[in-house]
Amino acid sequence: GENVEQHPSTLSVQEGDSAVIKCTYSDSASNYFPWYKQELGKRPQLIIDIRSNVGEKKDQRIAVTLNKTAKHFSLHITETQPEDSAVYFCAASRGFQKLVFGTGTRLLVSP
Amino acid sequence: GAVVSQHPSWVICKSGTSVKIECRSLDFQATTMFWYRQFPKQSLMLMATSNEGSKATYEQGVEKDKFLINHASLTLSTLTVTSAHPEDSSFYICSASWRTGELFFGEGSRLTVL
Repeated sequence: GENVEQHPSTLSVQEGDSAVIKCTYSDSASNYFPWYKQELGKRPQLIIDIRSNVGEKKDQRIAVTLNKTAKHFSLHITETQPEDSAVYFCAASRGFQKLVFGTGTRLLVSP
Repeated sequence: GAVVSQHPSWVICKSGTSVKIECRSLDFQATTMFWYRQFPKQSLMLMATSNEGSKATYEQGVEKDKFLINHASLTLSTLTVTSAHPEDSSFYICSASWRTGELFFGEGSRLTVL
């Protein structure tokens, strides 16, 4: 089955800096790669996703890149703000099938 | 976007009792719902896939007799933790797949077993 690895496990940046979180997946048939932000005690919130027919997607300060050949994808957050502090999870799935999550990255943005 | 509602948001029970958690898709029909469990500071681990009108498919290592899943309608799936023990204390989250493939999560239910 699918296996998703994520790193780093923790990431501390200064406000205004960029943050990058990387994930690798094992199943070459996976074609849907979402990223979730989870605040303490709350449900995961989708922040951006990408499908395998696209190499990059951007939404304001957030971007995701996908390298199908290497089977890795990354989340890029620019101009970080303290409210970006949370745990971020990557995930992978084949179409509408079950999502397999990465281990999570705790992002701390210091003012 | 689609809305998935889950309750109770938190529950405390005594060891040996059973607890039911409900997950509803409020504005769309969810033929498939997923149940995840999340221990503190860990990732979301899929427990089972719930299909309307059929038996749930459990992930390896998840006891189907302990975690009973029922998906009786296109908008409701329930998870019952039977004979709960302290090690079952966790954050349980349901989700439903939207037609685009995007997954929408319920608010989650924090179970504490004393």
